[in-house]
Amino acid sequence: NAGVIQTPRHKVTGKGQEATLWCEPISGHSAVFWYRQTIVQGLEFLTYFRNQAPIDDSGMPKERFSAQMPNQSHSTLKIQSTQPQDSAVYLCASSSDWGGAPDTQYFGPGTRLLVL
Amino acid sequence: GDSVTQTEGQVTVSESKSLIINCTYSATSIAYPNLFWYVRYPGEGLQLLLKVITAGQKGSSRGFEATYNKETTSFHLQKASVQESDSAVYYCALRDTNAYKVIFGKGTHLHVLP
Repeated sequence: NAGVIQTPRHKVTGKGQEATLWCEPISGHSAVFWYRQTIVQGLEFLTYFRNQAPIDDSGMPKERFSAQMPNQSHSTLKIQSTQPQDSAVYLCASSSDWGGAPDTQYFGPGTRLLVL
Repeated sequence: GDSVTQTEGQVTVSESKSLIINCTYSATSIAYPNLFWYVRYPGEGLQLLLKVITAGQKGSSRGFEATYNKETTSFHLQKASVQESDSAVYYCALRDTNAYKVIFGKGTHLHVLP
């Protein structure tokens, strides 16, 4: 089991450019989560999918951020017109169902995004 | 609202000394909170350290312990004798039993001095 895979591990973009972050959840896991980690805010929930359907995107900035899960093997987080304040580590996590209830979340190594 | 508070951003302890990392929570909209401690070691990803889903119970792992105290809404992490290898960032978190969304504290960076 390779765990949750995130690519790229590091990304540098210029202000105004688009950034797409990829996540491959653990095979068989039904839920995928995206978090943003900064020194100031800590770990912030962004959004999550269950069985590929978007369930809760209450943490997503209303503009420029979008997430998709086109199939059960990957999810993407896209940031349009990146700004310096988007610089952060973006974490993806996945979990399975255990008896119909959510199980432990397993985290990927993160993508460190730097917007210059 | 629902939240997790870790009052110390950084804790420094000498090796073989005892440790307490404080965590309190607010679960106004969660009937049955589940409580977690996650850890991120240098160069590694975030991983679950321990979890407790029932109030009054204690969880333990790798020499760490945490007791779910509903009266004080606390879930402090303790270890009797820390090692240099325990140096890491520790996150307290909560979740509703039947929900997927996890709410994290801001983390406590533990430095263990040799």
